[in-house]
Amino acid sequence: KQEVTQIPAALSVPEGENLVLNCSFTDSAIYNLQWFRQDPGKGLTSLLLIQSSQREQTSGRLNASLDKSSGRSTLYIAASQPGDSATYLCAVRYRGEDKLIFGTGTRLQVFP
Amino acid sequence: DTGVSQNPRHKITKRGQNVTFRCDPISEHNRLYWYRQTLGQGPEFLTYFQNEAQLEKSRLLSDRFSAERPKGSFSTLEIQRTEQGDSAMYLCASSLAPGRNEDQYFGPGTRLLVL
Repeated sequence: KQEVTQIPAALSVPEGENLVLNCSFTDSAIYNLQWFRQDPGKGLTSLLLIQSSQREQTSGRLNASLDKSSGRSTLYIAASQPGDSATYLCAVRYRGEDKLIFGTGTRLQVFP
Repeated sequence: DTGVSQNPRHKITKRGQNVTFRCDPISEHNRLYWYRQTLGQGPEFLTYFQNEAQLEKSRLLSDRFSAERPKGSFSTLEIQRTEQGDSAMYLCASSLAPGRNEDQYFGPGTRLLVL
């Protein structure tokens, strides 16, 4: 069964810390992996998309890496800010599939 | 605003009633997806369209659920004889066909509460 797992489920850090969110998937035959941000009661905002041929993608203070052989992706957030507080979702699209399979998310709180 | 839009944003209904949600994708996107998200969980795939053709339906999509995209533009998701377990956020996303920018862009969702 193709599953996506995210740890930790929740994280609370002081402003300014660098932090790492983890995503693992059970099948290495992925097509791409996307990280999303979701604010409470809102839709999803795409942060980064990594194709299976790539090892990482960067956007501003965000860096996402992909290791297919170990079935893992990490989202690195540098110099966290209170405005980063949200739920971060990892989603995998497997080869031959068109749908995204989501993890349950990491709920991040950055306090001043 | 040229993003994905969904209407209504919130819907409260009584058990047994029918409800219909609408999704308007980004105009040049030919793929449209429906997902359902319950509290504390990630979204789960329901179904998707390429143009007007419904290409895949999840096991989650019971016979009380029906989705259409008659002209390959907007889509509707109807739930008949709603049950309390249908309470969730219903998310719509759109994308270009494979081989191009394949990011799925999500709408704000429709939050359904069945009393």
